[in-house]
Amino acid sequence: AQSVTQPDIHITVSEGASLELRCNYSYGATPYLFWYVQSPGQGLQLLLKYFSGDTLVQGIKGFEAEFKRSQSSFNLRKPSVHWSDAAEYFCAVGDLLTGGGNKLTFGTGTQLKVEL
Amino acid sequence: GAVVSQHPSRVICKSGTSVKIECRSLDFQATTMFWYRQFPKQSLMLMATSNEGSKATYEQGVEKDKFLINHASLTLSTLTVTSAHPEDSSFYICSAKDSVDYGYTFGSGTRLTVV
Repeated sequence: AQSVTQPDIHITVSEGASLELRCNYSYGATPYLFWYVQSPGQGLQLLLKYFSGDTLVQGIKGFEAEFKRSQSSFNLRKPSVHWSDAAEYFCAVGDLLTGGGNKLTFGTGTQLKVEL
Repeated sequence: GAVVSQHPSRVICKSGTSVKIECRSLDFQATTMFWYRQFPKQSLMLMATSNEGSKATYEQGVEKDKFLINHASLTLSTLTVTSAHPEDSSFYICSAKDSVDYGYTFGSGTRLTVV
């Protein structure tokens, strides 16, 4: 069964500092990986996704993520964090196999706080 | 881009009553829709997967008779919480999978409070 681990429950960074949110996955085949952001009381917004090809994926709001098969990781990065980036971030792996029903499995999330 | 409209955003109901939550894909056809439940400061828990025109597939431990899901068209899925109780209070989020592009779009969620 697929699974996602986000080791950091909370992260605090200063505005303008760089950010890296960790994500490790477990999946039997080539994974389909996603990063979502959630503001309080809101749904999820897609930041970026990886299906195949270039392992460095560019997303919205200046975010990028790198797929590293050898490490089973898909870490999210941003070179300079803005106060508006404070939110909950979820990593997810998608199951495209027919039997899996195309489900997404989410990590437990990382709460990002930004200090001004 | 793809948009999923979820209504209502908030609902308060009395214990024992039923509540219906709608999820609509506005500009694409969603062959598959997903319903999640999220507890405060926790991740999303998949409740069920629904494919247009067929019965929903429920995750283990989710009561199908309590959480009724209907996916009658390619743009609309509904979740009905029947005989709601305070422990059903939660944040419910739907997601629609685009049949063309492999993308999942999420609704803005519904905060259900059962009193």
